[in-house]
Amino acid sequence: TQLLEQSPQFLSIQEGENLTVYCNSSSVFSSLQWYRQEPGEGPVLLVTVVTGGEVKKLKRLTFQFGDARKDSSLHITAAQPGDTGLYLCAARYNQGGKLIFGQGTELSVKP
Amino acid sequence: GAGVSQSPRYKVAKRGQDVALRCDPISGHVSLFWYQQALGQGPEFLTYFQNEAQLDKSGLPSDRFFAERPEGSVSTLKIQRTQQEDSAVYLCASSSLAGGNIQYFGAGTRLSVL
Repeated sequence: TQLLEQSPQFLSIQEGENLTVYCNSSSVFSSLQWYRQEPGEGPVLLVTVVTGGEVKKLKRLTFQFGDARKDSSLHITAAQPGDTGLYLCAARYNQGGKLIFGQGTELSVKP
Repeated sequence: GAGVSQSPRYKVAKRGQDVALRCDPISGHVSLFWYQQALGQGPEFLTYFQNEAQLDKSGLPSDRFFAERPEGSVSTLKIQRTQQEDSAVYLCASSSLAGGNIQYFGAGTRLSVL
């Protein structure tokens, strides 16, 4: 069974703070994606990482893919209340197939 | 439409009733996925279609769950004799092979079984 461990499960911080969310597996991914989901909506793709060691930036969000392609992290700099939501990592273990999701990180950014 | 559309958005069922959840994928998308999301958890894979062919149904939790996509477009997820543990949000996603297999999600159907 392929499992994706995501941590922390809950995070409550003040506006302006930095945070990091982690996503780990014992298996190698073919690709890993990060999603953000708001209440009553489906997940929305933020980024896809494919290459081991890859770093991608999206404004204040930085995504890293581990060298061995078994782990990834999402770092948010100077968090804002608009960043509040459920952050999900999802791995694909073969091309075109299903996504395996982590259990999610519920982020709350207080003004 | 521009995105994946799911209906109904909310469904309340009495235990033992049958329900049918509909997904309209993005036009032209070959692949269609169903996921189940419990409250406060990440989505869990249920089943996958490529056109009308159901290529993977390994995630369906029991034989009470059935999905179809007869014409390779609209899909229906049917749950027979609903149980309380079936209460969850059911998400549909579609993707095109040309689009790098990015999955676009609908807003989901929230099913509550009383």
